Amino acid sequence: AQKITQTQPGMFVQEKEAVTLDCTYDTSDPSYGLFWYKQPSSGEMIFLIYQGSYDQQNATEGRYSLNFQKARKSANLVISASQLGDSAMYFCAMRGRNTDKLIFGTGTRLQVFP
Amino acid sequence: EAQVTQNPRYLITVTGKKLTVTCSQNMNHEYMSWYRQDPGLGLRQIYYSMNVEVTDKGDVPEGYKVSRKEKRNFPLILESPSPNQTSLYFCASSLEQGVNTGELFFGEGSRLTVL
Repeated sequence: AQKITQTQPGMFVQEKEAVTLDCTYDTSDPSYGLFWYKQPSSGEMIFLIYQGSYDQQNATEGRYSLNFQKARKSANLVISASQLGDSAMYFCAMRGRNTDKLIFGTGTRLQVFP
Repeated sequence: EAQVTQNPRYLITVTGKKLTVTCSQNMNHEYMSWYRQDPGLGLRQIYYSMNVEVTDKGDVPEGYKVSRKEKRNFPLILESPSPNQTSLYFCASSLEQGVNTGELFFGEGSRLTVL
C-alpha cells in the first residue's frame, strides 16, 4: 500500500525567509513519482514541482526545490525567499509505477507574514 | 487554452436528488480522475479512467458513478446524494498514467452541499 504523510498541519514563516514543508512516503513500488501542489484560498490546485524516484538530482523550479532523500523516504518542499502570495495549503502527492492512483497527503497550511 | 472545466462550480441540493457534475478537458488526455477534498483528509480518489470506456474505482467510490463515453468528458454522477457527500470535488487529467507523466491538470473544483 502507498501512503503519504504530512505531519505539519500548519506552518508560519516571515516574508523573505526560507521554509521547509515535510513529506514522507511509503511505497513498495521500485519506481514512483513525487509531486507538490499548492492550493490558495481560491481553491484551485496548482502544480509546483515533480521528482522521479530515479532522478539523480533534486528537482528545482524557481523558488521551489524538492529535498529528496530516498533512503529516508522523504520529499520535503523548500520554498526560498517566501512571499505573501505563498500563503496557501500545500499538498504532497505520489504515484507509483504499479498504480494508477495519485495519492495525496493531508496538507500543510502555510502562512507568510510581513 | 489548455484546461479542465467542471460544472457546476457551486451546488446546493437535497438528499436523494440525482445530480451530475460534468468534467471536460481539451488536452486530448487519456487519463482522467475524480477526487473529493475534505478538511483534514486531503484529496481522496473516487474514480479514474485510463481511456474511453475504461473506468475503475478509487479509494472512496461508494455513492458515485462515472462514465467515459468520449475521451474529453468524464462526468461524476451522484444517483442519490447524501449529506456525507458534501465536499469539494476536483476533476483532473493527465496524458497517461505512470510515474513519468509529470503533472496532473486539475479543474477549478466543484463545491457541493447536500442538505
